[in-house]
Amino acid sequence: QSVLTQPPSASGTPGQSVTISCSGSSSNIGSNHVHWYHHLPGTAPKVLIYKSSQRPSGVSDRFSGSKSGASASLHIRGLRSEDEGDYYCAAWDDRLTGHVLFGEGTKLTVL
Amino acid sequence: QVQLHQGGAGLLQPSETLSLICGVNGGAFSGFYWSWIRQSPGKGLEWIGQITHVGYATYNPSLRGRVIISIDTSKNQFSLKVNSVTAADRGVYYCSRSSGPAFNYPMDVWGQGTTVAVSS
Repeated sequence: QSVLTQPPSASGTPGQSVTISCSGSSSNIGSNHVHWYHHLPGTAPKVLIYKSSQRPSGVSDRFSGSKSGASASLHIRGLRSEDEGDYYCAAWDDRLTGHVLFGEGTKLTVL
Repeated sequence: QVQLHQGGAGLLQPSETLSLICGVNGGAFSGFYWSWIRQSPGKGLEWIGQITHVGYATYNPSLRGRVIISIDTSKNQFSLKVNSVTAADRGVYYCSRSSGPAFNYPMDVWGQGTTVAVSS
């Protein structure tokens, strides 16, 4: 169902940087904010970035977000083992009655 | 610090109604927006819907009218009902809180998740 396209996987070694992309359309990312979540199986998802580039208090400044047109990116610098897990972008989609769309998810592995 | 505690039956037979409750503890109920999200096995997150503290609900069109989200402000809790469940409805269901409407605000507090199985 999702029309927010993310790469299925990403990886890096400790200390490296990685960028996860999220591609949508004019009805979602192109006209609305993007939020990013980190999810470990068996735990509750955690918001890392909201409104495309804002970082909640308590989230490391190693995480940053950006948006351009109908695409968004999450950038993680100084990779750590605890960064492993699934990353999801999310945006409101204006079609029909409107609803939240999650991306397909990107599994990050820290080698 | 606000916490969301989920409850409800986790094992259903096909065609039954899924009923889950999310209780809000340690924080305000009014003024926030309350959502349900699920994750099917091996798949990503799916937004089910959101309700305001005054009871206005919006739903994911993909669920085709099978879903009802309601609130009980006297108990500081909100509920999810999914009618006529099938195997496609199995997975982990989460409740969450947002500081504003879903078109503009993220879900910043989440419940612990409830695993739902559907089997005859």
